[in-house]
Amino acid sequence: ILNVEQSPQSLHVQEGDSTNFTCSFPSSNFYALHWYRWETAKSPEALFVMTLNGDEKKKGRISATLNTKEGYSYLYIKGSQPEDSATYLCAFTPGNTPLVFGKGTRLSVIA
Amino acid sequence: DVKVTQSSRYLVKRTGEKVFLECVQDMDHENMFWYRQDPGLGLRLIYFSYDVKMKEKGDIPEGYSVSREKKERFSLILESASTNQTSMYLCASSLRGLEGYTFGSGTRLTVV
Repeated sequence: ILNVEQSPQSLHVQEGDSTNFTCSFPSSNFYALHWYRWETAKSPEALFVMTLNGDEKKKGRISATLNTKEGYSYLYIKGSQPEDSATYLCAFTPGNTPLVFGKGTRLSVIA
Repeated sequence: DVKVTQSSRYLVKRTGEKVFLECVQDMDHENMFWYRQDPGLGLRLIYFSYDVKMKEKGDIPEGYSVSREKKERFSLILESASTNQTSMYLCASSLRGLEGYTFGSGTRLTVV
């Protein structure tokens, strides 16, 4: 079974702070890396699908980078807002196979 | 604007009951998946399907089966519910290729 590690497990930041979390995945046989946001009582929502080494994606105040050679991706949130409070999941696939998810990073933004 | 619908948000069943969790998507997606979410364990894949009538075991298929008679519907079946199957169950679908998954809102199943 493939292993996808996310750190930290949880994070508390003040409103306005910028923050980042890490996803580590096997660096061999890379196909795609996904990031999802999962708010309480809602469905996980896709943020980014990343496929190329060096990829950088951005959606509003959230951005992500990808290093397939060393097997990691960073998710950045600039100027955190209370509505950013959620669990952020990364997921990896080495080919046309189902995603393997990490355990997530739970972010709490305190107003 | 509903895309992936799971039939129940909360469900309480007794040990030994046969349980059906239904998932329907309206996006004409080929791929459908069932995951369960448990505290500290992340999302774990139970079963998946890449086409009608097709099904493949995921990482934790024991105690479960699935049915995909129509493209839009993927059902998860607990043959004889046990307390260790108390969990949040998430259904997802995707197109072939590199699209993100679309998830349902989840079914929180409690087996007593």
